[in-house]
Amino acid sequence: DGGITQSPKYLFRKEGQNVTLSCEQNLNHDAMYWYRQDPGQGLRLIYYSQIVNDFQKGDIAEGYSVSREKKESFPLTVTSAQKNPTAFYLCASSRRAEKPAYEQYFGPGTRLTVT
Amino acid sequence: AQTVTQSQPEMSVQEAETVTLSCTYDTSESDYYLFWYKQPPSRQMILVIRQEAYKQQNATENRFSVNFQKAAKSFSLKISDSQLGDAAMYFCAYRSAPLNYGGATNKLIFGTGTLLAVQP
Repeated sequence: DGGITQSPKYLFRKEGQNVTLSCEQNLNHDAMYWYRQDPGQGLRLIYYSQIVNDFQKGDIAEGYSVSREKKESFPLTVTSAQKNPTAFYLCASSRRAEKPAYEQYFGPGTRLTVT
Repeated sequence: AQTVTQSQPEMSVQEAETVTLSCTYDTSESDYYLFWYKQPPSRQMILVIRQEAYKQQNATENRFSVNFQKAAKSFSLKISDSQLGDAAMYFCAYRSAPLNYGGATNKLIFGTGTLLAVQP
């Protein structure tokens, strides 16, 4: 089955620690995205990558970092610089950004709790 | 910058009835795409329906249809014959149309969502 996997589903960390969220896709999609979801705020884009070894900041990139060494993988690191890291994180992928608009496929998400 | 507004935080509908979820957006672009995503309690985001701005015909997917009013920048979702499985958070999303290959990010701008409850 093709799809996007995110692990783990729940993640707990102590304040001041960096943590890396995993995202893997086997859809052969070029583009991948990380969103953050907070109650009452919808989804906000953190980082995105359209091809391997390239990525751009989204709307709320501060305190986060990513890498895109392989087409299938787009891990997100939440650093200690992120002031409010507790949230639900969603990874998505899509075909290249060209007409027509290809839908973004989402993973099941990771709930990160930092105390 | 583009914005998406969903003014109904919560809605409720009786099973088998019809409900309409509202979405308005603001943009200066003439070509773009609009989407409705469903997020059930599992939190898996699922695409419900999409609309291309240059197409005047409203999109339809089985029991789901949209009322796209480009001049009014309105994009409402109508769910007919509501089922218990339709209970979820629904998000409206906007995406710019690329001018050329690689000219856009395929970035989605989301509204804040409408939580739909379906009463048996």
